[in-house]
Amino acid sequence: GQNIDQPTEMTATEGAIVQINCTYQTSGFNGLFWYQQHAGEAPTFLSYNVLDGLEEKGRFSSFLSRSKGYSYLLLKELQMKDSASYLCAVRDLWSNDYKLSFGAGTTVTVRA
Amino acid sequence: GAVVSQHPSRVICKSGTSVKIECRSLDFQATTMFWYRQFPKQSLMLMATSNEGSKATYEQGVEKDKFLINHASLTLSTLTVTSAHPEDSSFYICSASKQTNTEAFFGQGTRLTVV
Repeated sequence: GQNIDQPTEMTATEGAIVQINCTYQTSGFNGLFWYQQHAGEAPTFLSYNVLDGLEEKGRFSSFLSRSKGYSYLLLKELQMKDSASYLCAVRDLWSNDYKLSFGAGTTVTVRA
Repeated sequence: GAVVSQHPSRVICKSGTSVKIECRSLDFQATTMFWYRQFPKQSLMLMATSNEGSKATYEQGVEKDKFLINHASLTLSTLTVTSAHPEDSSFYICSASKQTNTEAFFGQGTRLTVV
């Protein structure tokens, strides 16, 4: 199994930057994903890291350090619509199924 | 991105009845689909892995006789909640991948309420 930890809640101001940390413990690591989920909706894909380093995609960036079992999602120029839950998910290779295990999610509230 | 369609989006049923939820990959073939449930303000909990043409693999603690999964084709998996009870009320979400080593695309989710 995996232990995936991320903060429960974060609050930031519109236009600011927020960093959501995620730590994990797993064997057979095969990638880390970040998803955004608005209340009552399904998760939508944000980013994917399998090698160490920073992946930038517009206002969102994600970083991975495999040796430290650590990732973060960086949200820049926050907008009100960014208020959502952000899920860190780790993919393991068990047998032939690439299973995703999710953290509990970080609820980000953007204030004007 | 790929499209995964889940139906129905909301369903209310009486206690003791069964409910079927469909998950379709609309523009790609998915040999593997995953079923999750999510309680309010909690994360997604993997229930089972659905493989086309074979029996589903259930996670520990998930009753296979209660949550029947059928993956009859490369584009359709169904989850049937049998003899539903109020504690089965939850948000059920499916996901599918184009290949085994790519990102998972999620369906819209099904809000099940058992009364």
